[in-house]
Amino acid sequence: GQNIDQPTEMTATEGAIVQINCTYQTSGFNGLFWYQQHAGEAPTFLSYNVLDGLEEKGRFSSFLSRSKGYSYLLLKELQMKDSASYLCAVPNTGGFKTIFGAGTRLFVKA
Amino acid sequence: GAVVSQHPSRVICKSGTSVKIECRSLDFQATTMFWYRQFPKQSLMLMATSNEGSKATYEQGVEKDKFLINHASLTLSTLTVTSAHPEDSSFYICSARRQEGTGELFFGEGSRLTVL
Repeated sequence: GQNIDQPTEMTATEGAIVQINCTYQTSGFNGLFWYQQHAGEAPTFLSYNVLDGLEEKGRFSSFLSRSKGYSYLLLKELQMKDSASYLCAVPNTGGFKTIFGAGTRLFVKA
Repeated sequence: GAVVSQHPSRVICKSGTSVKIECRSLDFQATTMFWYRQFPKQSLMLMATSNEGSKATYEQGVEKDKFLINHASLTLSTLTVTSAHPEDSSFYICSARRQEGTGELFFGEGSRLTVL
């Protein structure tokens, strides 16, 4: 089966950098996704990693280490609007369904 | 990008009544759609996989007779919460993915159900 762990909450200051970690266990690896979800809204796609290394996309970057079952999402130049939940997700064995972690609620303070 | 639309966004109903939620893929055909449920401050829990032209596949612990899913066309799936009770109050979200691409999910706006 799948198991995904990420911190429950984090707080960071506007303009700073924050790293949100995710560890996962899966019997077959088909990539790892990060989604952003603002309160009361549906998630939106942020990034996808299938190979080891860092994928950079503007202020957001995502890292993957398959051997360690580990990923992180890096947010730079934090803005107040980045306050949201960040969900780590992996496809299940076979890659058909997507299983979500509990999410990390990020609070950005002035 | 792909767009998935969900309706209604909010619904309040009395206990014992049924509520239908629609999910449409607007610019691509979705042979499969996924229905998730999310309770406050919790993660998305997959309820069922909706398959066009065939029966939905339900996750363990989800009552198929209570949560009726119909996927009659390549662009529309519906979830009906039958005989709703207060414990069914939740945020219901549908999603779909393109056949091409990385496989990321495109989500509808979500439907917040409150059962009185």
